[in-house]
Amino acid sequence: KAGVTQTPRYLIKTRGQQVTLSCSPISGHRSVSWYQQTPGQGLQFLFEYFSETQRNKGNFPGRFSGRQFSNSRSEMNVSTLELGDSALYLCASSPSTGPATQYFGPGTRLLVL
Amino acid sequence: KNEVEQSPQNLTAQEGEFITINCSYSVGISALHWLQQHPGGGIVSLFMLSSGKKKHGRLIATINIQEKHSSLHITASHPRDSAVYICAVSGAQKLVFGQGTRLTINP
Repeated sequence: KAGVTQTPRYLIKTRGQQVTLSCSPISGHRSVSWYQQTPGQGLQFLFEYFSETQRNKGNFPGRFSGRQFSNSRSEMNVSTLELGDSALYLCASSPSTGPATQYFGPGTRLLVL
Repeated sequence: KNEVEQSPQNLTAQEGEFITINCSYSVGISALHWLQQHPGGGIVSLFMLSSGKKKHGRLIATINIQEKHSSLHITASHPRDSAVYICAVSGAQKLVFGQGTRLTINP
């Protein structure tokens, strides 16, 4: 099976812009989670989607949002970008929600100038 | 205090040495994960465990639920084991991560 794919891999934006990142899970996986990784804060949970429904959300402002489509592909959107949003954004998929092995994508590296 | 604490933060060893990385957590969990991240960012899940011990090749993971502690061991370490090892716990349906342990194995 193909692994988790994320597009784009690299992105440069300026403050105030918005950005949309895409994640395609492993075929058959219905749960997609998003994470942010920064040198200062490490890895932090953003949100999880399962069957097109947001199941859980981390402690991030409302500028961070996401959605999941019927084919389990997921997008996350960050509006009104701030310098501190520069990070590696990782998505991970698993067959089900709850405790399960997470299969990570390669990440999207976002730089906000 | 972080919910998940790892030690050491950095570890340098010689090829062939036995490696131990520790993880302590302070919250109730349903499972604990060990992850490996190589330079460039890719993360691989090594283990998910909720009790006892698991082994895969030269890697061994143990967990003590009563003491809220887990260890990751690497036997006969090799330079290709050089990576950041991250402990994460599943609780309240989300993953909470430790800060990672940067492991460098010198030939």
